[in-house]
Amino acid sequence: GQQVMQIPQYQHVQEGEDFTTYCNSSTTLSNIQWYKQRPGGHPVFLIQLVKSGEVKKQKRLTFQFGEAKKNSSLHITATQTTDVGTYFCAVDGGGSGAGSYQLTFGKGTKLSVIP
Amino acid sequence: KAGVTQTPRYLIKTRGQQVTLSCSPISGHRSVSWYQQTPGQGLQFLFEYFSETQRNKGNFPGRFSGRQFSNSRSEMNVSTLELGDSALYLCASSWQGAVEQFFGPGTRLTVL
Repeated sequence: GQQVMQIPQYQHVQEGEDFTTYCNSSTTLSNIQWYKQRPGGHPVFLIQLVKSGEVKKQKRLTFQFGEAKKNSSLHITATQTTDVGTYFCAVDGGGSGAGSYQLTFGKGTKLSVIP
Repeated sequence: KAGVTQTPRYLIKTRGQQVTLSCSPISGHRSVSWYQQTPGQGLQFLFEYFSETQRNKGNFPGRFSGRQFSNSRSEMNVSTLELGDSALYLCASSWQGAVEQFFGPGTRLTVL
């Protein structure tokens, strides 16, 4: 099935610094999703990217899908303490049946923000 | 609209026992997926149910099973528990055809 490598595993930043996490696949992806999990919480959907070279923004978060649709990145500008958590990318492993999805998650990047 | 609910939230079992976890999806969501989350392996897909049928299954042994009822509520069962089954078990629901998964708070299972 689909596999994705996510780096870095951990990132410690000073509040106000930028943060980027990367997700890479050896195969072409149909789409990629990003989730955030706060400490002690559950994953929360952030966004889905579908098109080659797509760039989407949500306030201080910028999501990119590579031209070859084999990699993606999530960039946070001027981190805040509320950004603390683990960020996961997830790809569709191709479930059986129309409208069926089987997500494969990256190992995640755990972000710590030092105030 | 109420979110995904999971019961119980915490569970302690001993090796060899079996356990049943419950998940109630968001109203109107008919697809329910289960995931296991551990520090070492991360988030791993267990299975997905839709309209009471298992559509997809991850690479887990047969000790892990599930089912879905006509009201879309789902249960997951793990038999003959092993220490390595200690994990956070997350349930997620979604609209038919939608990629976005809405996760519940999870059930923290500890096997002693």
